[in-house]
Amino acid sequence: KAGVTQTPRYLIKTRGQQVTLSCSPISGHRSVSWYQQTPGQGLQFLFEYFSETQRNKGNFPGRFSGRQFSNSRSEMNVSTLELGDSALYLCASSRDGPSGANVLTFGAGSRLTVL
Amino acid sequence: GDSVTQMEGPVTLSEEAFLTINCTYTATGYPSLFWYVQYPGEGLQLLLKATKADDKGSNKGFEATYRKETTSFHLEKGSVQVSDSAVYFCALGSPNNAGNMLTFGGGTRLMVKP
Repeated sequence: KAGVTQTPRYLIKTRGQQVTLSCSPISGHRSVSWYQQTPGQGLQFLFEYFSETQRNKGNFPGRFSGRQFSNSRSEMNVSTLELGDSALYLCASSRDGPSGANVLTFGAGSRLTVL
Repeated sequence: GDSVTQMEGPVTLSEEAFLTINCTYTATGYPSLFWYVQYPGEGLQLLLKATKADDKGSNKGFEATYRKETTSFHLEKGSVQVSDSAVYFCALGSPNNAGNMLTFGGGTRLMVKP
């Protein structure tokens, strides 16, 4: 069974640009979450989508946004890129059972470098 | 707010040594607890989980017990292999009815030498 697929795997942008990252969850998984991983801040939760609605949001500025489509695929967008946005962005999908106990399956990530 | 504290690494061990990676947490209620592992260039993989106090999660020789009284979830393995070299993350799940969010510790890098 296919895992969580993230595209692109690597990308380089310059300050001020915007970027869109894509995530295809495991078939049947309706919850998609996004995390930012940096050496300094570790793994930080960005947001979670379920049935095309944002269900939870982390503490990130409004430049970070996301959406989910009817087929559960998700995208996240970062506008007006800053150097500090350089990170590995991880997407995770999950079935929706008893909340909090669900196992998240992660993709390999999209590594963004901002110059 | 919820938080997870892990021992800082790197932890360097010889093959067949005993491994302990400490993890303590602060949370409201009784969240599920997880250990994830990240190999170089990859995303995170679930290693094991426990959903209530005194539960023991286990997988691939790794074990961790959910200790409510000490708010801990320490990871142990009796005999590590070179292939266990990776970064290990302790995490706690969101409170009931709050969706699927994980709060991660800072990660502990394990290096196993032959």
